[in-house]
Amino acid sequence: AQSVAQPEDQVNVAEGNPLTVKCTYSVSGNPYLFWYVQYPNRGLQFLLKYITGDNLVKGSYGFEAEFNKSQTSFHLKKPSALVSDSALYFCAVRDDYGQNFVFGPGTRLSVLP
Amino acid sequence: EAGVAQSPRYKIIEKRQSVAFWCNPISGHATLYWYQQILGQGPKLLIQFQNNGVVDDSQLPKDRFSAERLKGVDSTLKIQPAKLEDSAVYLCASSLESLGGEAFFGQGTRLTVV
Repeated sequence: AQSVAQPEDQVNVAEGNPLTVKCTYSVSGNPYLFWYVQYPNRGLQFLLKYITGDNLVKGSYGFEAEFNKSQTSFHLKKPSALVSDSALYFCAVRDDYGQNFVFGPGTRLSVLP
Repeated sequence: EAGVAQSPRYKIIEKRQSVAFWCNPISGHATLYWYQQILGQGPKLLIQFQNNGVVDDSQLPKDRFSAERLKGVDSTLKIQPAKLEDSAVYLCASSLESLGGEAFFGQGTRLTVV
């Protein structure tokens, strides 16, 4: 069975500094990897995905993520954090049968002014 | 493009009562998901439909939960009878394709069982 781990419950970063939210996964076959963000009382919003190709994926709002197959990781990054980036971030993986769309436990990002 | 619509937004019921949630996916999206999100946790997949067929319902508590997607469009999720531990946000999502397509989520239904 596949799974997603987000080892940090909370990440704090100062505004203007780079941020990283970590994600590791376990899946049989090729992974399809996704990042979502959730603001209070809102649904999940898609940020970016890795399907195949370039290991560095660029997404919405200046976010990017790096796929590392040997480390089974898909960390979310942003060069310069904004206070408005403060939210709950979820990593997700889907298997190559198009099933088992599994989410991690989430990481709360706080960007301090 | 209209998003995924869910109703109701909020529901409070007593334990042992029944409740139903409705979802209208984005037009043309063949894949539909129902997730349960307990406060402080990540979404847990309950069931996945491809058109009107069930692809994965391995984590659906079938003794009390049921879901259907008639005509491959709208879907309903039902709980009967509800338990206190069913208190959660129920999220519906849809995607154009089941493999590489990202899922788009509705606002969710917040269920409180008292």
